[in-house]
Formats: sequence, structure tokens, C-alpha cells
Amino acid sequence: NAGVTQTPKFRILKIGQSMTLQCTQDMNHNYMYWYRQDPGMGLKLIYYSVGAGITDKGEVPNGYNVSRSTTEDFPLRLELAAPSQTSVYFCASSRTGQGTNTIYFGEGSWLTVV
Amino acid sequence: GESVGLHLPTLSVQEGDNSIINCAYSNSASDYFIWYKQESGKGPQFIIDIRSNMDKRQGQRVTVLLNKTVKHLSLQIAATQPGDSAVYFCADRDWNGDDMRFGAGTRLTVKP
Repeated sequence: NAGVTQTPKFRILKIGQSMTLQCTQDMNHNYMYWYRQDPGMGLKLIYYSVGAGITDKGEVPNGYNVSRSTTEDFPLRLELAAPSQTSVYFCASSRTGQGTNTIYFGEGSWLTVV
Repeated sequence: GESVGLHLPTLSVQEGDNSIINCAYSNSASDYFIWYKQESGKGPQFIIDIRSNMDKRQGQRVTVLLNKTVKHLSLQIAATQPGDSAVYFCADRDWNGDDMRFGAGTRLTVKP
């Protein structure tokens, strides 16, 4: 029973490097999300998608890009990594965005930019 | 902007006691609220939710109370156990909104 799976778990990047955080879900959920969580802070929405081919900016989209070519996958791309992007990243999904639809989270990806 | 926030960043309780974690929200349009539990090194897990047309909802050992008049939400955990030690987040959403707004979290520590 996989749920939401994200990789890698840990990564260290140098300033200016690029990388992609992978996320896949096997629950046939329409909505997928990327959040970041800074130490001692709540979750902030980076991007979300309401279905394949559709993506929208969240609260903190700058420095990131996403794509949603399939229902299952929602990768997050970091271009030109900066120290401010050091954070824990969570991918999540829900059946829809409205109503009592629970958001299910992945285990998180710890990213450090040095 | 409007946000969901928590009154206390940390809470320490004795095993077996009841725990109460509080949350304040400011968005008048919020009509759906969720409590999440996040254990160290893991993603948040759903605990319980409540819609704005209710003021109380109970689960297994957990109760959520909603006071819309003062925009206050609380999570009560009965007979707190060591496994309840975690960070607890409240989150809110407009019923037809696309995303959740999360507070910073309260760290609950259960002493044996």
C-alpha cells in the first residue's frame, strides 16, 4: 500500500545546481501538491495540480517548476538552487481539492543547498 | 494575509493525562478544518477533521472542538500516550478551495 512516494529522501546540492524531486501516487488522485516546510514552520504550498496537464502556483512558487504529464506523477524541478531553498519538501495528493477530501502526504525529501 | 496559527509552540504532558492543543484562524471564509500529526522524519498524517456546521467531532481518543465565534479550534487527546509525541498542525480551507493553509505546529512531548 504505497500511497504517495517521493524521492530522494536526502540530497545536498551546491548553489546553482539543478535537480528534480520525484513524486508518484498510486491512489488515482486528481489533486497533487508540493509543500515546503522550513524548521519550526508550517507547510507552505509551492505548486499544485488539479489533474494531468494542469498546474497552478501556490504561495511560494519562485525558483521552482512542475509538470503533470500523468495522473500518477508530479515532479518538482529546482533550477539554480539557492541556500533559501534548503528545506523539507513534501509531496501530497487528494482525490479532489474540495470538501472533506483528506490530503495524503509523502515521507518528505530533505534538501540542503550549500 | 490571513493565516492559521497556534497559541503555543510546545506542550509537555504526563503519560495518561489529557492533552489540549489550540489553534486560532483568521479567515472568515474557512469552513473546513483538519488536524494533522507529524512524527519526526515523517510526513503529516490525518487525525480528524470538522466542518464549520459542527462544533464538536470525536474520534478514537481525539476530539476536535470548533468555536466559530472566536475563530478557535482545539484538539483534545485523551489518556495521552508516548506514541502521541509529535508535532500537531491545524489546517483550514475554504470548502471549495484548492489548498490547505497550515499553522506552524505545536510539539507535544509525553513524559513517562
